[in-house]
Amino acid sequence: AQSVTQLDSHVSVSEGTPVLLRCNYSSSYSPSLFWYVQHPNKGLQLLLKYTSAATLVKGINGFEAEFKKSETSFHLTKPSAHMSDAAEYFCVVSVYYKLSFGAGTTVTVRA
Amino acid sequence: ETGVTQTPRHLVMGMTNKKSLKCEQHLGHNAMYWYKQSAKKPLELMFVYSLEERVENNSVPSRFSPECPNSSHLFLHLHTLQPEDSALYLCASSQGLAPGSADTQYFGPGTRLTVL
Repeated sequence: AQSVTQLDSHVSVSEGTPVLLRCNYSSSYSPSLFWYVQHPNKGLQLLLKYTSAATLVKGINGFEAEFKKSETSFHLTKPSAHMSDAAEYFCVVSVYYKLSFGAGTTVTVRA
Repeated sequence: ETGVTQTPRHLVMGMTNKKSLKCEQHLGHNAMYWYKQSAKKPLELMFVYSLEERVENNSVPSRFSPECPNSSHLFLHLHTLQPEDSALYLCASSQGLAPGSADTQYFGPGTRLTVL
């Protein structure tokens, strides 16, 4: 079985400051890990994917995530937040086609 | 059109109505999925199709009836729904179901369903 815990339900940052979204996972297998973003009234957009090729994964829109097996973590970061980053972010662990979603982290960006 | 499209984007229906949600993927994928996203709950996988064959029905009530006529199209037929079925219904597709190709799923924008 696999599961995901997103440690913050809400993160608020000022525009231009770093963003950190925390995710811990558990899995009985070697999982694939993802971050998706959902803007209001939109579907889920894939930000990035980890599949064991490299522990630091770069995604779209300046986001990156680091896989740390010893800590079972897959935290998402961005050096400088933009107003358009305001959205809900989901950490996802996958085994085969079964995706397990975290509860989501809502990001607000202050001008 | 690119990616995964869904129609309608919004739907309001009474409990006695019959309606259908449509999903189309333009990615050349072979697997398609229906998910339900309710407020304050994690996404729930409802159905999985691979090459037009249903491979998973995740204990979904029979008032939801999926149909996959070909690998590009997926429907969700709705009848005698309940108010608690109000949610965002998301369609997704992936290259296939084999390990390595199954887990990257691409989502459509969703249909916001309200049952009165």
